[in-house]
Amino acid sequence: AQTVTQSQPEMSVQEAETVTLSCTYDTSESDYYLFWYKQPPSRQMILVIRQEAYKQQNATENRFSVNFQKAAKSFSLKISDSQLGDAAMYFCAYNIPITQGGSEKLVFGKGTKLTVNP
Amino acid sequence: KAGVTQTPRYLIKTRGQQVTLSCSPISGHRSVSWYQQTPGQGLQFLFEYFSETQRNKGNFPGRFSGRQFSNSRSEMNVSTLELGDSALYLCASGTGIPPYNEQFFGPGTRLTVL
Repeated sequence: AQTVTQSQPEMSVQEAETVTLSCTYDTSESDYYLFWYKQPPSRQMILVIRQEAYKQQNATENRFSVNFQKAAKSFSLKISDSQLGDAAMYFCAYNIPITQGGSEKLVFGKGTKLTVNP
Repeated sequence: KAGVTQTPRYLIKTRGQQVTLSCSPISGHRSVSWYQQTPGQGLQFLFEYFSETQRNKGNFPGRFSGRQFSNSRSEMNVSTLELGDSALYLCASGTGIPPYNEQFFGPGTRLTVL
């Protein structure tokens, strides 16, 4: 069974600094997707960034980037120039593509609560 | 485009009752997935519907059921409510068609069972 582990229940960062959130996963599949979702206090889940396992290049979205280590099954999120609006729960998630017999099902980690200090 | 909508946003029920939650996906989306979010268990997949058919199901008891209508709107039903069913129920919609499409989440329905 696929599992996603986030070992840091809480993290804090100073505004304008950089923070890295960790995620490891377990799977026997060779093709899959990995995601980071953000859930602010409003509870609206928002996609931050996604990575396709067959792509070696790490995904980036503005201030957000990932360090994808497929052999180590590691998928960390780096937030640069942290802003107060980045404060939220961050969830790492995994998905098997529909083309590989999967579906839209996402397997989530337990989350990391990020606090941004002014 | 309007986002994913969920109704009601808040619900209070007592043990033994049943409840129906509704999710309207983004126009054109044919896939709707449901998740239960609790502080203890985190986010757990309930089921996914695509074109009115259940395509995947999580590990939940038979008290949890769902369906999808021809307009892609989906409902989930929980019968014989238990205290442990108190949770935030999230639905997500996507096109459901390969290779991959982003899933968009609704604001959730907060269910409290007394």
